[in-house]
Amino acid sequence: NAGVTQTPKFRVLKTGQSMTLLCAQDMNHEYMYWYRQDPGMGLRLIHYSVGEGTTAKGEVPDGYNVSRLKKQNFLLGLESAAPSQTSVYFCASSYLGRKQFFGPGTRLTVL
Amino acid sequence: AQKVTQAQTEISVVEKEDVTLDCVYETRDTTYYLFWYKQPPSGELVFLIRRNSFDEQNEISGRYSWNFQKSTSSFNFTITASQVVDSAVYFCALRRSNYQLIWGAGTKLIIKP
Repeated sequence: NAGVTQTPKFRVLKTGQSMTLLCAQDMNHEYMYWYRQDPGMGLRLIHYSVGEGTTAKGEVPDGYNVSRLKKQNFLLGLESAAPSQTSVYFCASSYLGRKQFFGPGTRLTVL
Repeated sequence: AQKVTQAQTEISVVEKEDVTLDCVYETRDTTYYLFWYKQPPSGELVFLIRRNSFDEQNEISGRYSWNFQKSTSSFNFTITASQVVDSAVYFCALRRSNYQLIWGAGTKLIIKP
């Protein structure tokens, strides 16, 4: 039982490049979330999903897209990376709205 | 507005002292949940407690205790006899009716030996 895993753990991009972050959970949770954490701040919700095939915008969705083609996976895409997207990205999942289980995070640097 | 305020940016105490972390929230929802998470230096997020708006009983778990008061919209967290391993950033969060979590900015707790 791996819980929530994130791939990759670290990534450096140049401005304008694209990439996809992968989140996988093996707890059969319906709800999945993508957050970003900037220094000295709490987590901010980017997008979330309440089930396979459904996604919704969170607090800071601009510049990101997501897909939930399979229940266990939630992908976060950056189409054209900007330095303002340098952050630590956390994925989480939960059984309905109960406590969220977090992945270890992905540290992304955009030069 | 839905908001969580953790006014203490950083707290530093000597080991074995008691320490209280403050959390004040704003919400128009009549039903809501409050959470505390811990983020140690290693970076992972660790769930500590969830409390729903109908249950104002204080909770104690070992050296940890939580004081929930709806009248003052506060959900404070106390560590008794702090230890160096308690050093971390602690986040308070409010769950909205649409299941989104609103997070406070966090309080960095430093426990000195």
